[in-house]
Amino acid sequence: EVQLLESGGGLIQPGGSLRLSCAASGFTFSNSAMSWVRQAPGKGLECVLAISGSGGTTYYADSVKGRFTISRDNSKNTLYLQMNSLRVEDTALYYCAKTFGCTSASCYRAYGMDVWGQGTTVTVSS
Amino acid sequence: DIQMSQSPSSLSASVGDRVTITCRASLSITTYLNWYQQKPGQVPKVLIYGASNLQSGVPSRFSGSGSGTDFTLTISSLQPEDFATYYCQQSYSSPHTFGQGTKLQIK
Repeated sequence: EVQLLESGGGLIQPGGSLRLSCAASGFTFSNSAMSWVRQAPGKGLECVLAISGSGGTTYYADSVKGRFTISRDNSKNTLYLQMNSLRVEDTALYYCAKTFGCTSASCYRAYGMDVWGQGTTVTVSS
Repeated sequence: DIQMSQSPSSLSASVGDRVTITCRASLSITTYLNWYQQKPGQVPKVLIYGASNLQSGVPSRFSGSGSGTDFTLTISSLQPEDFATYYCQQSYSSPHTFGQGTKLQIK
């Protein structure tokens, strides 16, 4: 069964750091580009970071550039999100998602996200 | 980043109605446009990819069209399970940004 399982969320004070993990199973992880998508309470979806299958190319939304880092360990089938300098507005449910239909190894263009985890909640509050 | 805008933001309709949701990109994305459905408490599910391709397992009452900057999602005959929030997403330029969503409610 294809599955993604996020972990690492919690309550953190503004300015703090947190690392999220996403464990993948049921597909060839190293061949798959991955993304972190967040959803603030009652709000829409925001794709904040993405990474190619090899890990050699990463993409960042302006809202998290310089603060968040995406990485992966293909030997462990795990995706990571390192979040630093957290802000109240970073409060959200964080999903990891698998991208499909990449048109190149960098996955600059693709066909969307076909597998999603259940998400892990990050709450930034004093 | 490419900006995506959807209209309407919310929509009330009845079972059996034909419904159309539109999505506009801030620049041409050719056909790199995807549609997702999200029900309350559930994860998003891809319905349409590449503007008009139906994802496996998705009912044929869902269809997508458009290219360039303007796109539509059509549900030909609404079913009770279709009441949800729908998002468009461009996958032409990373990161792959989403529209703000359209909430489809029962009239």
